[in-house]
Amino acid sequence: DAMVIQNPRYQVTQFGKPVTLSCSQTLNHNVMYWYQQKSSQAPKLLFHYYDKDFNNEADTPDNFQSRRPNTSFCFLDIRSPGLGDAAMYLCATSFQLAGGKETQYFGPGTRLLVL
Amino acid sequence: AQKVTQAQTEISVVEKEDVTLDCVYETRDTTYYLFWYKQPPSGELVFLIRRNSFDEQNEISGRYSWNFQKSTSSFNFTITASQVVDSAVYFCALSEATSGTYKYIFGTGTRLKVLA
Repeated sequence: DAMVIQNPRYQVTQFGKPVTLSCSQTLNHNVMYWYQQKSSQAPKLLFHYYDKDFNNEADTPDNFQSRRPNTSFCFLDIRSPGLGDAAMYLCATSFQLAGGKETQYFGPGTRLLVL
Repeated sequence: AQKVTQAQTEISVVEKEDVTLDCVYETRDTTYYLFWYKQPPSGELVFLIRRNSFDEQNEISGRYSWNFQKSTSSFNFTITASQVVDSAVYFCALSEATSGTYKYIFGTGTRLKVLA
């Protein structure tokens, strides 16, 4: 089945130690998104890639970076995780035509714990 | 300004009861899209339905039904004969055609607990 895969499902890191979360998709979608979701809150968009074009949300901290080496993979790098970065990180994909607003499909998420 | 309101923070029902989750939205666009997602305890956001602003037909899918009313800016979700497996957080979301971004405006979610 075509899907969005996130690894690992759980990640523990230390305060200040860089961490990378990964997302892959077999849907061949051209847009990939990273969301942060804290407990009892709605997902918050961090950034997205439209093909190779990177689009950062204005309020996304500089501590968060992303890479998309090819259509299938996208990475979220947290350069110096703080305690406040502990959250669920959700990857999503969609197939966008120009001007379209297509459905986003989400992966299972990576739950990040910062010690 | 665009906004999605899910006023019900948490709902508890007994299995087999019907339950309606409310979603009210605000937008100035005439073309927009509305979505419902289910988030079970495992964390994945599962897509349930997408509706565009020109399609006001109600939809039924098994035990799920959706009532879209532009006159009241509402897109409510009803689960008939609820089951324990329906326990989850449900999010309503809005996407505007002219916003220039692919950003979803999410509501704050409604936690549904279905008790056996």
